[in-house]
Amino acid sequence: AQSVAQPEDQVNVAEGNPLTVKCTYSVSGNPYLFWYVQYPNRGLQFLLKYITGDNLVKGSYGFEAEFNKSQTSFHLKKPSALVSDSALYFCAVILGGNSGGYQKVTFGTGTKLQVIP
Amino acid sequence: NAGVTQTPKFRVLKTGQSMTLLCAQDMNHEYMYWYRQDPGMGLRLIHYSVGEGTTAKGEVPDGYNVSRLKKQNFLLGLESAAPSQTSVYFCASRPRTGAQYFGPGTRLTVL
Repeated sequence: AQSVAQPEDQVNVAEGNPLTVKCTYSVSGNPYLFWYVQYPNRGLQFLLKYITGDNLVKGSYGFEAEFNKSQTSFHLKKPSALVSDSALYFCAVILGGNSGGYQKVTFGTGTKLQVIP
Repeated sequence: NAGVTQTPKFRVLKTGQSMTLLCAQDMNHEYMYWYRQDPGMGLRLIHYSVGEGTTAKGEVPDGYNVSRLKKQNFLLGLESAAPSQTSVYFCASRPRTGAQYFGPGTRLTVL
């Protein structure tokens, strides 16, 4: 069974400081990993993904994430936080390599990021 | 491209009433999903479809039915609404490999 853990319900960071939102996963095989952001009263928006290749993935709005296979982690990072980054962030995993049939998408429970002016 | 659209955006039902939520995507995606989002519980998968004419149950399918008669549309039905179905419903689609694209959501209240 695959699972995703986002250990922090909320992360507070001062504007201009670096931010990290943590995600760890469990999957028996090669994972596809995703980060999504949700602003209030909106649907989830795709930020970035790791499928294969370079462990450091760059995405939208200056966000990046590092795939660490040994620690089974995919933490979301940004060098300098903006107040407008305040939102709910979801990590998700798919078991990769399954070219046919259904690929189960498992979401974490979400982390609320609050950037303080 | 409109992406993923959902109809309606808001709805209030009385217990026992029925309704259908419509999801449409114009990206020619194979897979489509219906989720519900409740406070503190993240996203829970209700039903999904891997192609036109096929549907399958997710984590919380009870009380819901779905149909995918056309590739671009995925309908979610509530036959007899219950207060426990008060939630925000999201539809998503994605290609065989790649990220999901989400609709804006439908806020449903069952009284």
